[in-house]
Amino acid sequence: GAVVSQHPSWVICKSGTSVKIECRSLDFQATTMFWYRQFPKQSLMLMATSNEGSKATYEQGVEKDKFLINHASLTLSTLTVTSAHPEDSSFYICSANTEREGNSFLETQYFGPGTRLLVL
Amino acid sequence: AQKVTQAQTEISVVEKEDVTLDCVYETRDTTYYLFWYKQPPSGELVFLIRRNSFDEQNEISGRYSWNFQKSTSSFNFTITASQVVDSAVYFCALSEGPYGNNRLAFGKGNQVVVIP
Repeated sequence: GAVVSQHPSWVICKSGTSVKIECRSLDFQATTMFWYRQFPKQSLMLMATSNEGSKATYEQGVEKDKFLINHASLTLSTLTVTSAHPEDSSFYICSANTEREGNSFLETQYFGPGTRLLVL
Repeated sequence: AQKVTQAQTEISVVEKEDVTLDCVYETRDTTYYLFWYKQPPSGELVFLIRRNSFDEQNEISGRYSWNFQKSTSSFNFTITASQVVDSAVYFCALSEGPYGNNRLAFGKGNQVVVIP
């Protein structure tokens, strides 16, 4: 299989603090990791794409200085929401793809369970 | 630019009725993949199906079936004999490129409510 975990699953923090969310591929090496954000009752929107060892590519409208992404290894990417504010409260979901051989791996990406962030 | 449209926002059906979710996509790529995901209240995305742009064969899997028509750029999803456990948000998504593991563009989602 191809399992992706996220930690923490829930986080509540005060306005102005920074929050780090981890995304790990547990049984495969992730070539690329994607970070999506989902506001209540809305769709998932891609925030950024990260490749191991290189800078993340951010989507238009996403502040790269506020949402810091570090992809230090082939199994771990982190998203840090710096100086979080209530409007950053959202559901953050990561996904990962792999170059492992086999069409089933190449044809899809694997999603983590998501992290709910509530900023008070 | 890739775009996915799911026009219906919330659909309510009585248990055992069929429900069809419409998905229309836009892309300039000739190779792409289409997906359907289910998102229950827990939030985790559950993969249902993927189709590549070269495979227009419709598929049935249990109570789920999919109708892919390139001529109308549609990839519709039907749940037959709906059950309460089918209540969830369903997303259609598009990935451009030859592999299907590229960035995804999601539609707005269909909230399906199955009434017992």
